[in-house]
Amino acid sequence: EAQVTQNPRYLITVTGKKLTVTCSQNMNHEYMSWYRQDPGLGLRQIYYSMNVEVTDKGDVPEGYKVSRKEKRNFPLILESPSPNQTSLYFCASSLIRTGSTGELFFGEGSRLTVL
Amino acid sequence: DAKTTQPNSMESNEEEPVHLPCNHSTISGTDYIHWYRQLPSQGPEYVIHGLTSNVNNRMASLAIAEDRKSSTLILHRATLRDAAVYYCILRDAGSQGNLIFGKGTKLSVKP
Repeated sequence: EAQVTQNPRYLITVTGKKLTVTCSQNMNHEYMSWYRQDPGLGLRQIYYSMNVEVTDKGDVPEGYKVSRKEKRNFPLILESPSPNQTSLYFCASSLIRTGSTGELFFGEGSRLTVL
Repeated sequence: DAKTTQPNSMESNEEEPVHLPCNHSTISGTDYIHWYRQLPSQGPEYVIHGLTSNVNNRMASLAIAEDRKSSTLILHRATLRDAAVYYCILRDAGSQGNLIFGKGTKLSVKP
């Protein structure tokens, strides 16, 4: 089954304790992206990647890191989480080959609470 | 990517048609118009997309203005399950560049 899988789905952590949210897709998609969603602010992009070893900042990259060492995985790293990073996080992926529709597939979300 | 403008919220009655507008006056010739929706407590899901011609699928219809500067997502008979936030997004067909979401339109459906 084609899917984007995020882990963990729920996490409560404390300020400063490094954490990684994993994202994996099984559709051989080139494009992957991380978004955060907060009440009243819609979906805001954190980082995105057009292919392996190619990443770029989105609208709200501060406090986050990403890597794209393999095509299928795009982990989101919070080196020193702070309470303002408490949010709902979504990973998404799509094809970007010419001629494809570019439909985005989303994971189920990871709800992170930083105390 | 070109910017889109949508109303913050709309209301509809159950079993009536709903027309969700989107303005994209700076659209380029190679931009596809995509619509996604996000049901409560779920990730966004694809609804429909189009380039120039009107499109229909099992979920909705997409009406694209002749000058492509605006489009309308049409839900033919709204159900309570259609209550969601609807996002209109442009994506270049050639480069398939980065996807930026706006705040979308929150659709409420009254029984």
